[in-house]
Amino acid sequence: SQQGEEDPQALSIQEGENATMNCSYKTSINNLQWYRQNSGRGLVHLILIRSNEREKHSGRLRVTLDTSKKSSSLLITASRAADTASYFCATDLYTGTASKLTFGTGTRLQVTL
Amino acid sequence: GAGVSQSPSNKVTEKGKDVELRCDPISGHTALYWYRQSLGQGLEFLIYFQGNSAPDKSGLPSDRFSAERTGGSVSTLTIQRTQQEDSAVYLCASSSRVGFATNEKLFFGSGTQLSVL
Repeated sequence: SQQGEEDPQALSIQEGENATMNCSYKTSINNLQWYRQNSGRGLVHLILIRSNEREKHSGRLRVTLDTSKKSSSLLITASRAADTASYFCATDLYTGTASKLTFGTGTRLQVTL
Repeated sequence: GAGVSQSPSNKVTEKGKDVELRCDPISGHTALYWYRQSLGQGLEFLIYFQGNSAPDKSGLPSDRFSAERTGGSVSTLTIQRTQQEDSAVYLCASSSRVGFATNEKLFFGSGTQLSVL
């Protein structure tokens, strides 16, 4: 089963608008990461936020983490057409024998001109 | 190499045949991961290696799937007697992980698109 679930599943906005994606997870985590995927192939790491952090910024990206609610959000400000992609959150899940990075179901973002 | 390299980029096979997918991680990365992504879906964890050892093999879908890593570098994912439901993109990633938790970012390859006819 998926550890993380993104919301919404799909988001369509116009260039210049802000895009907000949310991620909820089920168990305690060490950190949470966000990745971007273009055209259904390799993923690119965007940002990592540790469990003792509440907010982190990187360029036009802002990530928040609320461990009490087991949720995170990714905000992309002043979106561009080039931001069109799928965005995934990933959390570190302890399985009893090892720790593995599990991904959510993703949010498909469409930015139109 | 400069990045994670996967081969082949595309593989079309007939049902019942065996396939081998290869992953060449970033030089020096100790951890290597295999994921599977079906069309329009999220990533399904298959297996990860720390060095040549695989602490957790529970993600492998069936005993038709196996993976190995030699020399702490190249890994191969083998699917025996392929079925149509095995059709997916198989993604490999590596990281400089040395501890128990995944505290480092993953670097992904471009994946192998497997199509089983």
